[in-house]
Amino acid sequence: KNQVEQSPQSLIILEGKNCTLQCNYTVSPFSNLRWYKQDTGRGPVSLTIMTFSENTKSNGRYTATLDADTKQSSLHITASQLSDSASYICVVSLYNTDKLIFGTGTRLQVFP
Amino acid sequence: DTAVSQTPKYLVTQMGNDKSIKCEQNLGHDTMYWYKQDSKKFLKIMFSYNNKELIINETVPNRFSPKSPDKAHLNLHINSLELGDSAVYFCASSQAARMWNEQFFGPGTRLTVL
Repeated sequence: KNQVEQSPQSLIILEGKNCTLQCNYTVSPFSNLRWYKQDTGRGPVSLTIMTFSENTKSNGRYTATLDADTKQSSLHITASQLSDSASYICVVSLYNTDKLIFGTGTRLQVFP
Repeated sequence: DTAVSQTPKYLVTQMGNDKSIKCEQNLGHDTMYWYKQDSKKFLKIMFSYNNKELIINETVPNRFSPKSPDKAHLNLHINSLELGDSAVYFCASSQAARMWNEQFFGPGTRLTVL
């Protein structure tokens, strides 16, 4: 069964600290993996997209890693800001389809 | 502004009613989607249209009927609303190329069925 699991479910950190969010997937055949940020009351916004041949990709203070052998990905946030408070969703795309498999997300709260 | 827009943003209605949610994208994309996000924040695909043709139809009750008058619009009509239909519905769009299928989401429509 195609599934995407994320951990932790929720995370609280202080402003300025770093954090890492985890994503494990069992999707096959795999096309690409992306991380989305969803602010409260808004639609998801794409942060990074990686294919199986890419190990890491950065977008500002966000760095995503992918290990296609172990089917794991992580999203590292550096020097967190209050505006980073949101849900972060890991999404895996099935090869040769338009279908995306969504994880349940990690809710991050950054406090001053 | 280039974006995916949805109306209404909030919809409160009684059980048994029929309602519609509209979605428009001006990104020039060929493919549009409807997603349902439940109370646990889990996003699940409902429908996908490519150039006005249905290409994905997950196991959604036939009370839900998408309509695509042109490739820039994908509306969702729901008949005989039930309590379990309460959720946030997101419209999204993407280019037709599947490998780099980045989807752009609308702001969502929060549907509450009383």
